[in-house]
Amino acid sequence: NAGVTQTPKFQVLKTGQSMTLQCAQDMNHEYMSWYRQDPGMGLRLIHYSVGAGITDQGEVPNGYNVSRSTTEDFPLRLLSAAPSQTSVYFCASSRDRVSEQYFGPGTRLTVT
Amino acid sequence: RKEVEQDPGPFNVPEGATVAFNCTYSNSASQSFFWYRQDCRKEPKLLMSVYSSGNEDGRFTAQLNRASQYISLLIRDSKLSDSATYLCVVIALYNQGGKLIFGQGTELSVKP
Repeated sequence: NAGVTQTPKFQVLKTGQSMTLQCAQDMNHEYMSWYRQDPGMGLRLIHYSVGAGITDQGEVPNGYNVSRSTTEDFPLRLLSAAPSQTSVYFCASSRDRVSEQYFGPGTRLTVT
Repeated sequence: RKEVEQDPGPFNVPEGATVAFNCTYSNSASQSFFWYRQDCRKEPKLLMSVYSSGNEDGRFTAQLNRASQYISLLIRDSKLSDSATYLCVVIALYNQGGKLIFGQGTELSVKP
């Protein structure tokens, strides 16, 4: 039982490049979400999903897309990377929207 | 005013000390309450859920006062391994989802 896994652990992108951050969970959780953590800002919700095929925007969705084709996977796509997207990205999953959320180890992204 | 406010840190305590963290939240419709710990540059990890009836897990005791919108965490017999940042976390409903709202965190450093 691996919990929540994320790849890659580190990534450097140039401005304008696109990429996908991968997230998977093996706990059969319906609810999954993406956060970014910036120094002094705490974690902010980017997108979330209440189940396969259903996604919605969080507080800071601009520049990111998500999809949820299976219960297990919830990838986050950066469409055209900008330096403002330099951050640590955490994926989380939970049984439902009011239960404790379990985090993946994070992806540290730098955009130059 | 921040939605979740915690005691400012850092707390520097000797091994064996008892330390208490406090937290207040502003959204009276908040659904669920937790304490997480975060070690430097790693993902937040669930420490414990918090209930109005209070709950205890070994050396850790958490309490919720819904009327005062106040959450506490007590750590008894501090260990060196307790050194971390402790995050007070509230789940608020957000459209069809649930959003974790993090306090700014309180850093604890336990010294020999």
